[in-house]
Amino acid sequence: KQEVTQIPAALSVPEGENLVLNCSFTDSAIYNLQWFRQDPGKGLTSLLLIQSSQREQTSGRLNASLDKSSGRSTLYIAASQPGDSATYLCAVSSSSNTGKLIFGQGTTLQVKP
Amino acid sequence: GAVVSQHPSWVICKSGTSVKIECRSLDFQATTMFWYRQFPKQSLMLMATSNEGSKATYEQGVEKDKFLINHASLTLSTLTVTSAHPEDSSFYICSARDGAAYTEAFFGQGTRLTVV
Repeated sequence: KQEVTQIPAALSVPEGENLVLNCSFTDSAIYNLQWFRQDPGKGLTSLLLIQSSQREQTSGRLNASLDKSSGRSTLYIAASQPGDSATYLCAVSSSSNTGKLIFGQGTTLQVKP
Repeated sequence: GAVVSQHPSWVICKSGTSVKIECRSLDFQATTMFWYRQFPKQSLMLMATSNEGSKATYEQGVEKDKFLINHASLTLSTLTVTSAHPEDSSFYICSARDGAAYTEAFFGQGTRLTVV
């Protein structure tokens, strides 16, 4: 059974810092891994999608890496801003299903001005 | 990216009544949609997979008679919480993909259900 873990559960940093969020999964047989952002009381916004054959994806100040063999992904946020404050969720889509996502518990990020 | 719209964004209902939540794919067709549930400060848990034109597939532990799912068209799936009770109060979110199972998943805005 696939399990997804995110560390740390919460993170507080001063504005301008670069930071890394971690995601690990137990079963390396995945289609892809997706990083989402969730603001309080809101739905999910897709940030980056990494296919199983890819090593990393970049979008603006965000960079996500994937090491499928070790079951790990990281989300790197450069030059953090207060507007980046949110909960970040990673989720994997396993090869053995129809595309449902298995989510981690999330990392709640606070960027202080 | 593709847009998934969910309605209503919040609803308060009395215990024992039923509530319907709609999930629409606005600019693409989705043969499969997913319904998730999120408790406060917890992650998303998949409830069921909604299949256009056929029965939904429910995850273990989810009561199919309580959470009725209908996927009548390629752009609309509905989740009806029947005979709602306070323990059904939660945040419900739907998801769909514009393509195959390995493509990017997009989520609706979510529905906050409060049963009083």
